[in-house]
Amino acid sequence: GENVEQHPSTLSVQEGDSAVIKCTYSDSASNYFPWYKQELGKRPQLIIDIRSNVGEKKDQRIAVTLNKTAKHFSLHITETQPEDSAVYFCATYSENTGFQKLVFGTGTRLLVSP
Amino acid sequence: SQTIHQWPATLVQPVGSPLSLECTVEGTSNPNLYWYRQAAGRGLQLLFYSVGIGQISSEVPQNLSASRPQDRQFILSSKKLLLSDSGFYLCAWRGASGEKLFFGSGTQLSVL
Repeated sequence: GENVEQHPSTLSVQEGDSAVIKCTYSDSASNYFPWYKQELGKRPQLIIDIRSNVGEKKDQRIAVTLNKTAKHFSLHITETQPEDSAVYFCATYSENTGFQKLVFGTGTRLLVSP
Repeated sequence: SQTIHQWPATLVQPVGSPLSLECTVEGTSNPNLYWYRQAAGRGLQLLFYSVGIGQISSEVPQNLSASRPQDRQFILSSKKLLLSDSGFYLCAWRGASGEKLFFGSGTQLSVL
């Protein structure tokens, strides 16, 4: 089945720095790649997503890039702020499950220090 | 607009007691519905999903079951809770032809 690997598991940055989280996937038919942000005790919230016909998508301070050849996609956060501190999950669908189930990465705990 | 309701928000149950968590979605028809569990500090484990009334797919063998008695209602149950059933339970939905998955607010279950 689909396998999604996410790195790093933890990431500490100073306020104002950039943060990058990377995910790799195994199913070459995957065509949708969302990123979720989960604050402590809260639900995961969709913050940005990208489809395979696009290489990059940006929304203010966050951006996602996709490299279909290498089968990896990354979340970029610029000018980090303390409120960006959370756990971030990448995900994708797999063809061998009929694109019915999102397979999630293991998560990255981002800590932004003031 | 679509909304998802999940309750209760927190639940403390003794070992061996039954469980029923309910999730409903408003503003859409024939959604795909999902139950996830998250252990403390861990990732999202898919437990069950449903593409229609009465259609349940189970992802892992366990002490839990799911039912979908109505189009927009998804229920997670157990006859006898185990300590290992503790965790944060999240219901989620997406449109039948959509890609975006949206989560409910979650239920923090503690089995003591």
